[in-house]
Amino acid sequence: KAGVTQTPRYLIKTRGQQVTLSCSPISGHRSVSWYQQTPGQGLQFLFEYFSETQRNKGNFPGRFSGRQFSNSRSEMNVSTLELGDSALYLCASSVTGGEHTEAFFGQGTRLTVV
Amino acid sequence: KQEVTQIPAALSVPEGENLVLNCSFTDSAIYNLQWFRQDPGKGLTSLLLIQSSQREQTSGRLNASLDKSSGRSTLYIAASQPGDSATYLCAVKGDRGSTLGRLYFGRGTQLTVWP
Repeated sequence: KAGVTQTPRYLIKTRGQQVTLSCSPISGHRSVSWYQQTPGQGLQFLFEYFSETQRNKGNFPGRFSGRQFSNSRSEMNVSTLELGDSALYLCASSVTGGEHTEAFFGQGTRLTVV
Repeated sequence: KQEVTQIPAALSVPEGENLVLNCSFTDSAIYNLQWFRQDPGKGLTSLLLIQSSQREQTSGRLNASLDKSSGRSTLYIAASQPGDSATYLCAVKGDRGSTLGRLYFGRGTQLTVWP
């Protein structure tokens, strides 16, 4: 059974540009969540999608957005990149995101903003 | 707001020792608690999931306990090996309102097991 797949694995972007990251969840999983990991802040929740609907959103500026497609694949977009957006972006999938479901993470996308 | 704390922040031990990693959280309104392992530059690997109604879970040399009322969990690693070297993270999943479904992470315990 394939795990959570994130693409690309590495990205280098310039300040002011925008970027799109992709996440393919485990087959059958309908919940996809995104997290940002930095040395200073640790792991912080960005948003969660279930059946193409955003169910929850963390405390990030509107430059961070996401969406989920009918096949449960998800993308997140960051516009007008800042140096502080450099981080490891992790995607997690679970069956429903609810009480009894375990979260499985991908390998992450390492974004560097220069 | 849910806050998760892990102690110690770092641990360095010789091979073969039994270890205890600690995790505490401030809000007991949780669905479950999950322990993860993270190798440098990699994603998170799920180790154990404990539901809020459970007290303990075991997988191989790993045993995790949960005391929801006191907001504590421990991860016990038996007979540690160099391959156990990694950062161990605990996360709790909220069960209501703005916390629903989201994971709150501690900062992790960086474990080094030397031969």
